[in-house]
Amino acid sequence: AQSVSQHNHHVILSEAASLELGCNYSYGGTVNLFWYVQYPGQHLQLLLKYFSGDPLVKGIKGFEAEFIKSKFSFNLRKPSVQWSDTAEYFCAVKTRGGSNYKLTFGKGTLLTVNP
Amino acid sequence: NAGVTQTPKFQVLKTGQSMTLQCAQDMNHEYMSWYRQDPGMGLRLIHYSVGAGITDQGEVPNGYNVSRSTTEDFPLRLLSAAPSQTSVYFCASSYSNTGRSYGYTFGSGTRLTVV
Repeated sequence: AQSVSQHNHHVILSEAASLELGCNYSYGGTVNLFWYVQYPGQHLQLLLKYFSGDPLVKGIKGFEAEFIKSKFSFNLRKPSVQWSDTAEYFCAVKTRGGSNYKLTFGKGTLLTVNP
Repeated sequence: NAGVTQTPKFQVLKTGQSMTLQCAQDMNHEYMSWYRQDPGMGLRLIHYSVGAGITDQGEVPNGYNVSRSTTEDFPLRLLSAAPSQTSVYFCASSYSNTGRSYGYTFGSGTRLTVV
């Protein structure tokens, strides 16, 4: 079964700092990869997704992620964070094959951006 | 277009009571799923359905039942509530996997407390 690891439980940054959140997955086959964001008191919203092609994926609000197949990683980046980016971020993996319909989430990384 | 609608938003149950969490989507999505979100645990899949009449278990199915009689609705039943089922429950839907990568649309969640 696939699993997803997010390395940082809580990240604290100042505004304008650069952000990188780590995500690694374990699955040997083809995967679809997602990053979701959950603002306080709200439901999950899709930030970006990777299906195939260019491993550098650009999402909403200036976020991007790079798929490195050899490292089983899909790290999320943003060059300059804002106070409004304070939220919890979830990496998720959907396998293609026998478990097509299961989207497996990491445990989340809470990002706090101080003004 | 309402998206994914969950009711109720909040619920308090006594141990041993039963209840049904409702989920409805109006996007003609074949795939629907239920997750529970607990602090430090991320989102864990409870049950999912790939179409009307078809359901399967996820990662944490014990204590929950589902059925899918229509494409639009996917109710989650708690048969005999336990304090361990205190959580936030999210319903999500998507087009089925036809070789494309679609994001999942999440409902706004149901916050359930079992006392």
